[in-house]
Amino acid sequence: EADIYQTPRYLVIGTGKKITLECSQTMGHDKMYWYQQDPGMELHLIHYSYGVNSTEKGDLSSESTVSRIRTEHFPLTLESARPSHTSQYLCASRGEIRGYTFGSGTRLTVV
Amino acid sequence: QKEVEQNSGPLSVPEGAIASLNCTYSDRGSQSFFWYRQYSGKSPELIMFIYSNGDKEDGRFTAQLNKASQYVSLLIRDSQPSDSATYLCAVNIERSGGFKTIFGAGTRLFVKA
Repeated sequence: EADIYQTPRYLVIGTGKKITLECSQTMGHDKMYWYQQDPGMELHLIHYSYGVNSTEKGDLSSESTVSRIRTEHFPLTLESARPSHTSQYLCASRGEIRGYTFGSGTRLTVV
Repeated sequence: QKEVEQNSGPLSVPEGAIASLNCTYSDRGSQSFFWYRQYSGKSPELIMFIYSNGDKEDGRFTAQLNKASQYVSLLIRDSQPSDSATYLCAVNIERSGGFKTIFGAGTRLFVKA
């Protein structure tokens, strides 16, 4: 079944560590997105990609970076994690007609 | 003014009642409209999408679109406690290079047993 996968589901990490949040989809979608969402709060777009080698920053300023070397893979990297990065990170992809399919999310805690 | 506005709620309805969730948008060029359901601690999941004026029904859910008045609504008939969640309205707006999806902040719905 076509789907979108995020790993890890939960991550607790120390300040200053480098981390990569993984996101893969099996639907062949060109468009992929990273959102940040604090509990009970709005979704904030932090990065998006419309295809291989295409990446753009979203509406919310973020210290993270992304890459899109393969259609199915859209990882997000924090070079030096800080407590202010504590949040839930949601990856999503979109076909041409239908809406978004979201992954299960990564809940990140930086201590 | 936000591009997509929703009442944050909470909206509380008794079990079996009709829940009505509303969303307004500012850009008249908006093309397509989506409703997502997000349970606490979970990811949003798409439940309805609508492109044309009028009603679209899918089981207990009905999406209603009125482009002239720039609103889209979601009706949930025979509400169940399991419908308790945050409902996000999303609108595709045409921008240079393609469409941009704008999410509303969501309306929290509580269905009381």
